[in-house]
Amino acid sequence: EVQLVESGGGLVQPGGSLRLSCAASGFTFNDYYMDWVRQAPGKGLEWVGRSGIKANRYTTEYAASVKGRFTISRDDSYNSLYLQMNSLKTEDTAVYYCTRGVGNWGQGTQVTVSS
Amino acid sequence: DIQMTQSPSSLSASVGDRVTITCRASQGITNDLGWYQQKPGKAPKRLIYAASSLESGVPSRFSGSGSGTEFTLTISSLQPEDFATYYCLQFHTYPFTFGPGTKVDIK
Repeated sequence: EVQLVESGGGLVQPGGSLRLSCAASGFTFNDYYMDWVRQAPGKGLEWVGRSGIKANRYTTEYAASVKGRFTISRDDSYNSLYLQMNSLKTEDTAVYYCTRGVGNWGQGTQVTVSS
Repeated sequence: DIQMTQSPSSLSASVGDRVTITCRASQGITNDLGWYQQKPGKAPKRLIYAASSLESGVPSRFSGSGSGTEFTLTISSLQPEDFATYYCLQFHTYPFTFGPGTKVDIK
């Protein structure tokens, strides 16, 4: 069974940083593209970005709203995906979901950016 | 960026009704489209991938169709557990983009 478990969310001040983690199990992690998706309170879904696989040199893609501030990485030896979020803004407040190629989803982790 | 629109934005329906939701892309995306169901406080769940392929375990009353720029999600006979918000997602071109959602509630 595919399992994705996010962690690392919390309350952070504007301008601060936070690193989210996603622990994956139940599948061959290094074979799959992995994505982060977020949902602001009462709003729709927003794709944040994607990590490629070793075969494409772990190429990453990002939404314009986070490019230059967020960095996606992965560690295939630990079956883990990461989202480093810097220069956080209040509009980054959302539940952040880890997904296996926008197919399977984790339960999400809450990130709140507020002073 | 590819813009995704959905119609209607919300609908009220009764158990047993046939429900159709439409998703349109601002440019052609072949069949690179998925449909998701989200219930309050829960993570989204993918129902349909590649525009018309049913995810394993998803009831057959759900179906998807379309290609290019126009797509539909149909629920053939609405069940109580189907009241939720539905989103489409294009994964043809980066950045991937979701539709704004269609909320299905009880009439």
